[in-house]
This record gives sequence, C-alpha cells and structure tokens, in this order.
Amino acid sequence: GAGVSQSPSNKVTEKGKDVELRCDPISGHTALYWYRQSLGQGLEFLIYFQGNSAPDKSGLPSDRFSAERTGGSVSTLTIQRTQQEDSAVYLCAGRGGQGRSGANVLTFGAGSRLTVL
Amino acid sequence: EDQVTQSPEALRLQEGESSSLNCSYTVSGLRGLFWYRQDPGKGPEFLFTLYSAGEEKEKERLKATLTKKESFLHITAPKPEDSATYLCAAAGASNDYKLSFGAGTTVTVRA
Repeated sequence: GAGVSQSPSNKVTEKGKDVELRCDPISGHTALYWYRQSLGQGLEFLIYFQGNSAPDKSGLPSDRFSAERTGGSVSTLTIQRTQQEDSAVYLCAGRGGQGRSGANVLTFGAGSRLTVL
Repeated sequence: EDQVTQSPEALRLQEGESSSLNCSYTVSGLRGLFWYRQDPGKGPEFLFTLYSAGEEKEKERLKATLTKKESFLHITAPKPEDSATYLCAAAGASNDYKLSFGAGTTVTVRA
C-alpha cells in the first residue's frame, strides 16, 4: 500500500486479556520495527524484523510480549495477560533500501493506542 | 548504550518568533542523526538526516544542524501550522539499524 497501515487504531481492554496489534508495511520494505510510545516518553524500541526473522528482540519488556512476521510483510504484536503499564501507543515502522553509512529512514504508521483498564 | 536527550520539553512561541530546539546525543560512531515531526494522533514523519558534524539541512522554515555532541532544529518565523512534537533520533555503529529516540519537544505556535 501507499503507507504503513496499523490496526486497530484504538483498543481498550481489561487487565489480564490478550491483545493482537497488526502492522501492514509498505510493499518492498524488508525491515520492520515495533516501537512503543508512552505519555511523555520517547519512542521505546521493541523488536526489529529483517524479512521474517527477528535478529533483535531485545526491547520486548517481558515474555508476555511476542511478535511475528509472515511472508516478509504483515506483522503481529501480541501482548498476553495485559497489565495497566502496557497502556501506550504501539508504532510500527518500515524501512526501504540501504541508505548512506547504513543508517536509514523509517516510515511510521499512525499507531495503535492500547488502553488497559 | 546510545542516549538522546531533547530540550526543552515544551516551547510556546508567538507567530514569527524564531527559536531553536536542542538534541544532545551520546552515540558511539554516529551513523545518522534524524529529525521527525509528530502531529497528535499520527506517527512520526521524517524531516531530516544528518551524518557528520558541520552538516546542515533546510526545509521551509526548518533548519537542522549537527555538531559532534548536539543537533539543533532552528525554526525561523514559525507559523501555527509548525505546531507539533519534534523528535530527534540517532543510530550508532553498534546497532546502525536501530534508532534511539529522545522524548521530543512539543512546539506550540500562537497566531
């Protein structure tokens, strides 16, 4: 598609429930990232995909968080047994080809706002 | 660990009142310093990439500059539509695929 699409845009859930957040990146973007943005905080790195593999998942806060990517395209971030501290905006970003010095521009989706009651 | 700190947290300007935002970074082997703009309810939108000290980039009323320790985003004669949160991010040599973000500066421009 023309941009990075994320769904749902808003999710309100009860503590202890599982949630799935979806990201549909720009076609051809081989690298995909998940970041979390809490109120007043900077973007917190969660996980990086290159194709379908995740060489860096160091930012996942706990084993309740997992993510997968299939077909080098759509990615799903799953949070099990949600807690109130999981409330945040979850942002997905894609990256196109290799840029100068290995640093690249990320294209972000609008995010999924998660509220855990 | 790469660190990025932005100041001030918030900036209120009168239309036409120029100002600067600061981004201090501690990154081993800088591979790129990025500026993004984020509007409420939207994802960050790319503005600039700077790669080496002394480099400058301009876009309309925005100019980004880079030294070995800091980057500045200068807003010249701002308009209300420049109101947004401006995010700074850096990529270092150890993890050049990953951006470390600052907390952002929220700019409000009053007409």
